[in-house]
Amino acid sequence: RKEVEQDPGPFNVPEGATVAFNCTYSNSASQSFFWYRQDCRKEPKLLMSVYSSGNEDGRFTAQLNRASQYISLLIRDSKLSDSATYLCVVEHGGATNKLIFGTGTLLAVQP
Amino acid sequence: GAVVSQHPSRVICKSGTSVKIECRSLDFQATTMFWYRQFPKKSLMLMATSNEGSKATYEQGVEKDKFLINHASLTLSTLTVTSAHPEDSSFYICSARGLAGSFYEQYFGPGTRLTVT
Repeated sequence: RKEVEQDPGPFNVPEGATVAFNCTYSNSASQSFFWYRQDCRKEPKLLMSVYSSGNEDGRFTAQLNRASQYISLLIRDSKLSDSATYLCVVEHGGATNKLIFGTGTLLAVQP
Repeated sequence: GAVVSQHPSRVICKSGTSVKIECRSLDFQATTMFWYRQFPKKSLMLMATSNEGSKATYEQGVEKDKFLINHASLTLSTLTVTSAHPEDSSFYICSARGLAGSFYEQYFGPGTRLTVT
């Protein structure tokens, strides 16, 4: 079983739609959680950190449920420029602070 | 934000040759650098973690003698793919972890696309 699991998609949505991505992680000792965005043939870029209380950044809302080991990302009013792969990322604590990436969910926003 | 550079951005080499990839943190000191590999339509897979001045810690299944990592300074780490073969063709991405204000953050380089013919 992969440590971080995501639905690979693709999610094809019209402009203006609301879309939600889910992610589960298996290591209960994971300490920090993130959503990254990766455009085709580019490096991943941090979209937002995810906190237990839930957090919002403009059209993006992230939620964390530690009990269920579940992370979500909600994108409202989708734009064409939101088309990308969204990576769920979990950070181990301790000495190494390794980031473990999910396989990503592909979003295609259609005009 | 902080900047991490990688060089080269793209390399094509013949089977059996060695390729060196550099990763530099340009405006901060990276206490730890990470090397990832990403195959097409797959996730980033951590290959190894290196701390300045010490040996790299390799993930399970990654051959340390094939993927040589040197982290000689707080701003430079190198990955050498020795005796490269076509199955080593991949997107190699480094990231550097350092202090940004009061928090440690991790920044990714733009990646190096390796094609072995």
